Amino acid sequence: GAVVSQHPSRVICKSGTSVKIECRSLDFQATTMFWYRQFPKQSLMLMATSNEGSKATYEQGVEKDKFLINHASLTLSTLTVTSAHPEDSSFYICSARLRASNQPQHFGDGTRLSIL
Amino acid sequence: DQQVKQNSPSLSVQEGRISILNCDYTNSMFDYFLWYKKYPAEGPTFLISISSIKDKNEDGRFTVFLNKSAKHLSLHIVPSQPGDSAVYFCAASALGIGSNYKLTFGKGTLLTVNP
Repeated sequence: GAVVSQHPSRVICKSGTSVKIECRSLDFQATTMFWYRQFPKQSLMLMATSNEGSKATYEQGVEKDKFLINHASLTLSTLTVTSAHPEDSSFYICSARLRASNQPQHFGDGTRLSIL
Repeated sequence: DQQVKQNSPSLSVQEGRISILNCDYTNSMFDYFLWYKKYPAEGPTFLISISSIKDKNEDGRFTVFLNKSAKHLSLHIVPSQPGDSAVYFCAASALGIGSNYKLTFGKGTLLTVNP
């Protein structure tokens, strides 16, 4: 089945650090990848849609300069949290979908980001 | 404004019985619905989906029912097993022309299946 790998699984770092999270589709080509953020006991909130070879589309309220997204190939998208602060601490999850329209999104295992 | 609502934050069921998880949506443009299962510290795992042209889809122990007029869908798990204990998320998407296939999620329902 479709596998999405997300790395790292956990990051603890100091305030002001920039953190890069990678999302890879291991056995399929993903034209579209999505980045979500989840707060405790809350739903997954879509942050941005990442299309290979083009600029990401950000959801309302998500700072583009804070959350940099790059989708350089059909199997890799990265999310960089720039100059992270404690309020950026959260669970970040990526997903990828196959080209066909009726295919579900497949998720990575998420990254727990803790900013001290 | 929550477009996908899961009004039961938790559900407890006895092993072997049926689990019924409910989901309501408000956006009439949604035409593709999915259920995901999530364990702590892991990403959601796709379970089953249904297109709006159907009212039922079955896969093993899992059946999803869609009532378009009521904007309601439900996931039935029968028989329930202790390993089914997890958070279940309902998600919806609009697959029409120009769609970017993004999903809107409910807040999830924690299912506990007791042995």
